[in-house]
Amino acid sequence: QKEVEQNSGPLSVPEGAIASLNCTYSDRGSQSFFWYRQYSGKSPELIMFIYSNGDKEDGRFTAQLNKASQYVSLLIRDSQPSDSATYLCAVSGYSTLTFGKGTMLLVSP
Amino acid sequence: DTEVTQTPKHLVMGMTNKKSLKCEQHMGHRAMYWYKQKAKKPPELMFVYSYEKLSINESVPSRFSPECPNSSLLNLHLHALQPEDSALYLCASSQDHQYSNQPQHFGDGTRLSIL
Repeated sequence: QKEVEQNSGPLSVPEGAIASLNCTYSDRGSQSFFWYRQYSGKSPELIMFIYSNGDKEDGRFTAQLNKASQYVSLLIRDSQPSDSATYLCAVSGYSTLTFGKGTMLLVSP
Repeated sequence: DTEVTQTPKHLVMGMTNKKSLKCEQHMGHRAMYWYKQKAKKPPELMFVYSYEKLSINESVPSRFSPECPNSSLLNLHLHALQPEDSALYLCASSQDHQYSNQPQHFGDGTRLSIL
């Protein structure tokens, strides 16, 4: 059974701080890793994806992947109250996506 | 606004009703998906269509019946649903289901309530 684990939170950070969201996965054959942001009552929105070990940066977001440790993370720099949402980690092997349960992030002004 | 459009946004139906959810994408994607999401849970995969053919059915009850009329459209026909089927139903699409590195893009969802 493929598993994707995330701390459910809430993770509380002050405005302007760095938020660090973490995800581990069980299937060593996993090839692609995605981060989705989901506001309450809304649908998931793709914000980052990463395929290779290392860091990938896009604006205030950095995704980090370590396949040896089966670990993927998302850093949000200069966190804003509008970043308050649930962040879903999703992992893909050869076909379907497996989602983690999500981490709720709260950014206080 | 998302590039995957779902209608209706909200639907209330009785257990004996028949209704359909619709999904449309104009990104040229060849894979389309239906997910069900309950509150505070991650999306659960229901069906995958790849090149207009049903590729994956995750043991979904027969009261849910998917249909893919063409590469841009995906329907989910509902009949004799149960109260526990109340959820957010999400449609997603990706370029090609065969390649796992293709991200999936979600529509806004249909909030379904069964009375």
